[in-house]
Amino acid sequence: QKEVEQDPGPLSVPEGAIVSLNCTYSNSAFQYFMWYRQYSRKGPELLMYTYSSGNKEDGRFTAQVDKSSKYISLFIRDSQPSDSATYLCAIRAEKLVFGKGTKLTVNP
Amino acid sequence: NAGVTQTPKFRILKIGQSMTLQCTQDMNHNYMYWYRQDPGMGLKLIYYSVGAGITDKGEVPNGYNVSRSTTEDFPLRLELAAPSQTSVYFCASSYQTIRELFFGSGTQLSVL
Repeated sequence: QKEVEQDPGPLSVPEGAIVSLNCTYSNSAFQYFMWYRQYSRKGPELLMYTYSSGNKEDGRFTAQVDKSSKYISLFIRDSQPSDSATYLCAIRAEKLVFGKGTKLTVNP
Repeated sequence: NAGVTQTPKFRILKIGQSMTLQCTQDMNHNYMYWYRQDPGMGLKLIYYSVGAGITDKGEVPNGYNVSRSTTEDFPLRLELAAPSQTSVYFCASSYQTIRELFFGSGTQLSVL
């Protein structure tokens, strides 16, 4: 079983839609949960960071962690064309493990 | 504030050639990393460094070498380039291991 699994998509939604991006993980020792956003031909940049179960909100973005199910999610409300990017989950215990990324396109 | 700077942005190598990918950061971070990103495969750690003079292997170190003579610079050396090294390479730095990674804009390398 892979340490971190993420559906690569691609995911295409209309502008204004609610987007749900998800990752599952296998190691209970994972403590820190991050979402990175990567625009085409750019390096990833940190979008959200949390280390506890529950929800963390930042503007239109909500990160959700369910440690009992080993499941993390990123929700994007009122999605915009500028949200079109690849979203990578990243989870850390002793080492940082990245998901493969989900490519999102928001169509105007 | 430049952050993490990588050069070159693009490079084409012939099989067997060598090259050095340059990475420098101006944030005074102790931790620096080299990743490669292949389509559909996510980011794989090649080498990392916890400070000047200290380096260690990541997941996929074969065919690469690194050095860390200063806090700012962390070059990645490819010896005897092979087609399997065709990838996008990202350098990153962080203040602590559990904190945010700051990435450079990447080097797209093709080995033909």
